[in-house]
Amino acid sequence: SAVISQKPSRDICQRGTSLTIQCQVDSQVTMMFWYRQQPGQSLTLIATANQGSEATYESGFVIDKFPISRPNLTFSTLTVSNMSPEDSSIYLCSGGTSGGQETQYFGPGTRLLVL
Amino acid sequence: GENVEQHPSTLSVQEGDSAVIKCTYSDSASNYFPWYKQELGKRPQLIIDIRSNVGEKKDQRIAVTLNKTAKHFSLHITETQPEDSAVYFCAALHGQNFVFGPGTRLSVLP
Repeated sequence: SAVISQKPSRDICQRGTSLTIQCQVDSQVTMMFWYRQQPGQSLTLIATANQGSEATYESGFVIDKFPISRPNLTFSTLTVSNMSPEDSSIYLCSGGTSGGQETQYFGPGTRLLVL
Repeated sequence: GENVEQHPSTLSVQEGDSAVIKCTYSDSASNYFPWYKQELGKRPQLIIDIRSNVGEKKDQRIAVTLNKTAKHFSLHITETQPEDSAVYFCAALHGQNFVFGPGTRLSVLP
């Protein structure tokens, strides 16, 4: 299984600022995703991080608010821009493969609190 | 798009009893169904999965069944232990993305 790391593990930020979360996987996964998980709730897909091209965003999420980069197969970043208290959440990256072997593994998450 | 429902939202069982969590999905094209366990403050961890070409899969105390016709799949945990207490999420692969159910909070009472 893929080992996925994220940093920071947690942060407290002021409204109006931006935070960039990094995700590193230890093997060459095909797919990388970013999720948001509100306390006590399920996982909501923000976007699929595409290597070398723009991410594919889900309904309700836009690139200006959540810019994503994926410069190579094993690394991706998510930026939460111009933060407000409503952005307080856990952000999780995941990695997996496609083409019939779609197992997906999650990073430990970044717990964000916006004041 | 795909919609995944999950029941019950909370489940309490006595240690040693069995627990069953059920999920339904809407898109008949979905063909891969993983289950994740998430302990408090930790990442979701894959515990078992099933593909649409099989009807049942078992791994020790955990089993998953799939009924493609009815578009539902279930997680079965036998001989529950306190360490099984967690939130369990089912998911369905829709295209290249996973759609998650809302989760079931399982409490195993000693």
